[in-house]
Amino acid sequence: SQQGEEDPQALSIQEGENATMNCSYKTSINNLQWYRQNSGRGLVHLILIRSNEREKHSGRLRVTLDTSKKSSSLLITASRAADTASYFCATDGGRGSTLGRLYFGRGTQLTVWP
Amino acid sequence: GAGVSQSPSNKVTEKGKDVELRCDPISGHTALYWYRQRLGQGLEFLIYFQGNSAPDKSGLPSDRFSAERTGESVSTLTIQRTQQEDSAVYLCASNVGTKDTQYFGPGTRLTVL
Repeated sequence: SQQGEEDPQALSIQEGENATMNCSYKTSINNLQWYRQNSGRGLVHLILIRSNEREKHSGRLRVTLDTSKKSSSLLITASRAADTASYFCATDGGRGSTLGRLYFGRGTQLTVWP
Repeated sequence: GAGVSQSPSNKVTEKGKDVELRCDPISGHTALYWYRQRLGQGLEFLIYFQGNSAPDKSGLPSDRFSAERTGESVSTLTIQRTQQEDSAVYLCASNVGTKDTQYFGPGTRLTVL
């Protein structure tokens, strides 16, 4: 399967703590993306990191990418109750894969307690 | 519109009935995707439309599932003779046909009784 796999499946923390979620994938990639989903509805794009990048920041989000290990991590610093959601990584499948198609993992359910 | 819209937001149907789900992509987006998400699971790719090219139907789970798209606009996903295992949230996304960000609609929650 080309899908990414998130780890852990569920994460429960207190407000103010940092949350780290990991994603592993199997094929080469051009980019890797992280999405957020509230209450089983539409996904919202958070951040995209390209295969030639190692780290990227966006507000309280920090994403790292290690193409040699085929893994990525998403760090949310100073978490808030509003960060409670499911987080998915998605890969593009690299060269030879269908243009435009993304491969999603099963997600990490993050719960932030006030 | 400003974003991807889907209708209906919720659909309850009886086993054996046909259902049609609709997706309006962002104007100008040539690519449109349908996904299925069962409760507590990840996204399962169903079908992908890109411009006038033949759609990638490789994710459709059975011949009860079909989808159409009119040009680069509205798409409908049809499920015939629905089964209880079809109960899920059906998500539509669109983009300009690259491997970059996909923009998702709010989804249609389908419940088959």
